[in-house]
Amino acid sequence: QVQLQESGPGLVKPSETLSLSCTVSGDSIRRYYWSWIRQSAGKGLEWIGRIYSSGSTNDNPSLKSRVTMSVDTSKNQVSLELSSVTAADTAVYFCARDSGYATGWDSWGPGTLVTVSS
Amino acid sequence: EVVLTQSPATLSLSPGARATLSCRASQTISNYLAWYQQKPGQAPRLLIYAASNRATATPARISGSGSETDFTLTISSLEPEDFAVYFCHQRSSWPWTFGQGTKVEI
Repeated sequence: QVQLQESGPGLVKPSETLSLSCTVSGDSIRRYYWSWIRQSAGKGLEWIGRIYSSGSTNDNPSLKSRVTMSVDTSKNQVSLELSSVTAADTAVYFCARDSGYATGWDSWGPGTLVTVSS
Repeated sequence: EVVLTQSPATLSLSPGARATLSCRASQTISNYLAWYQQKPGQAPRLLIYAASNRATATPARISGSGSETDFTLTISSLEPEDFAVYFCHQRSSWPWTFGQGTKVEI
């Protein structure tokens, strides 16, 4: 059974870069797309972007090119960087496995809260 | 961007009652719609994909229907574990978006 676990700093200063990793166990990351999704009280659920093991990505234009995603197949891990953060980026960040374009995210990490504050 | 509007925002029902949740898209999305259930402190859980297909472990009392712009999630007889927040999600066009959620409460 696949398991996902997000990790990274829980507190980031304004204007700095938020960096998170998602470690996948129980399955190879080579077989699927992997998405980052965040949830805040103000904006609800927001899809940030997705990455395939080849490095191919799609992301949400609303984040104005602040997003960088990467994959490390040797560690079975995907990563997210969000630059120039503001308080509006405070949210719970989830990684999720995309089981197919018409299907959806069938496995999720528990999420990690990231607070942007000085 | 496709805007998904869910209604009602809150549904107050008793166990055993029938729940009908609506999700309306601002433009046609064919059947590229999924439903998720979320409980406090947990990640969302996939219930329905492609508008009407149950995900693994989704009980038969939960069903989805609709196409193009109007979609419905129905819970035929509410069990205690069904009281949660439900989100619809479209993946017909970029960027993928979510509805704002419907809370099903006792």
